[in-house]
Amino acid sequence: EPEVTQTPSHQVTQMGQEVILRCVPISNHLYFYWYRQILGQKVEFLVSFYNNEISEKSEIFDDQFSVERPDGSNFTLKIRSTKLEDSAMYFCASQGDRVSEQYFGPGTRLTVT
Amino acid sequence: KNEVEQSPQNLTAQEGEFITINCSYSVGISALHWLQQHPGGGIVSLFMLSSGKKKHGRLIATINIQEKHSSLHITASHPRDSAVYICAVGSIIQGAQKLVFGQGTRLTINP
Repeated sequence: EPEVTQTPSHQVTQMGQEVILRCVPISNHLYFYWYRQILGQKVEFLVSFYNNEISEKSEIFDDQFSVERPDGSNFTLKIRSTKLEDSAMYFCASQGDRVSEQYFGPGTRLTVT
Repeated sequence: KNEVEQSPQNLTAQEGEFITINCSYSVGISALHWLQQHPGGGIVSLFMLSSGKKKHGRLIATINIQEKHSSLHITASHPRDSAVYICAVGSIIQGAQKLVFGQGTRLTINP
């Protein structure tokens, strides 16, 4: 069964460093998402991506964040200058069409020290 | 006020019991999702529904659009059902379906 994959599974970085979280969505899916979950809190929407552009972004998704789909398979989330409060589990999800369910990756745990 | 409220927050039951988890929402939606999150953190989609009722094995999900309420039921619960169950509501913005999540219900089924 097709699945969404994410790398790395765990990333430790120092405050101020840039990180890139990678996702490989299910092939032929059209909609892509990033969510995050701070430890002990609920999952939060960050950004949606369709037709090679951002559809919507939350207030969390400020100028330090960016997304790319550079080669038609990978979908990346970049945080330019990490802060302590960026420590969280980051989930990528993909969706086949606008009315179908979303498939989640296993997540990347980001720890900023 | 949270857009998506779940109850209870925690639920402990004995194996075999019938489980109900409730979700209320305050915004217009295109669909409601029930998700399962295991201790390792991974999230699995259980149901997506916009009306009526869906059943998959021992799991049943219902939604009442007028009352903005949904329930997830588990029949003949088993310890392997222990997980966090999350209700999320979807709204379609520029084609993509943004999800807003509830805080989750932690279910523990004891043998």
